[in-house]
Amino acid sequence: QKEVEQNSGPLSVPEGAIASLNCTYSDRGSQSFFWYRQYSGKSPELIMFIYSNGDKEDGRFTAQLNKASQYVSLLIRDSQPSDSATYLCAVAMDSSYKLIFGSGTRLLVRP
Amino acid sequence: EPEVTQTPSHQVTQMGQEVILRCVPISNHLYFYWYRQILGQKVEFLVSFYNNEISEKSEIFDDQFSVERPDGSNFTLKIRSTKLEDSAMYFCASSGDSGGSDTQYFGPGTRLTVL
Repeated sequence: QKEVEQNSGPLSVPEGAIASLNCTYSDRGSQSFFWYRQYSGKSPELIMFIYSNGDKEDGRFTAQLNKASQYVSLLIRDSQPSDSATYLCAVAMDSSYKLIFGSGTRLLVRP
Repeated sequence: EPEVTQTPSHQVTQMGQEVILRCVPISNHLYFYWYRQILGQKVEFLVSFYNNEISEKSEIFDDQFSVERPDGSNFTLKIRSTKLEDSAMYFCASSGDSGGSDTQYFGPGTRLTVL
């Protein structure tokens, strides 16, 4: 059974701080990694994707991938109250079309 | 910016009734997906569709479910005889021409309530 694990949180950080969200996955065949943001009652919204080991930066967001450790993370710099949401980690294998989602980490950014 | 659209936003139905959920994927995308999310639970894959046929489906996607692309723009999910446990948010997604490793963009969802 292919699993994607996330700490459910909530992760509470003050405004302006760095929020660090983590995700582990069980299948070494996983090739593509995605972070989605989901506000309550809304659909997943793509934040970032990463395919290769290392860091990938996009504005205030940095995704980090370590395939040897089967670990992917998302750093949010200068966190804003509007970043308060559930962050979903999703994984896909090259041989499959489906995304396997973690249960999400709820982030609260305190003003 | 192009986006995936879904109708209706909320569907209420009686147990045993048939429902059809509709989606208009992003226009140049080739791969289409349905996911569902039961309240408080993970987003779960149901089915993927490419070149007018199902390319992959989960064990949730049993004989009660079917998908169709009736024309060049719509993509539908039909549930033939709804059960109470089908109550969930149903999300349609689409992606470009690289299949599962390409980024999937989600529609706003249809909330299905089965009474």
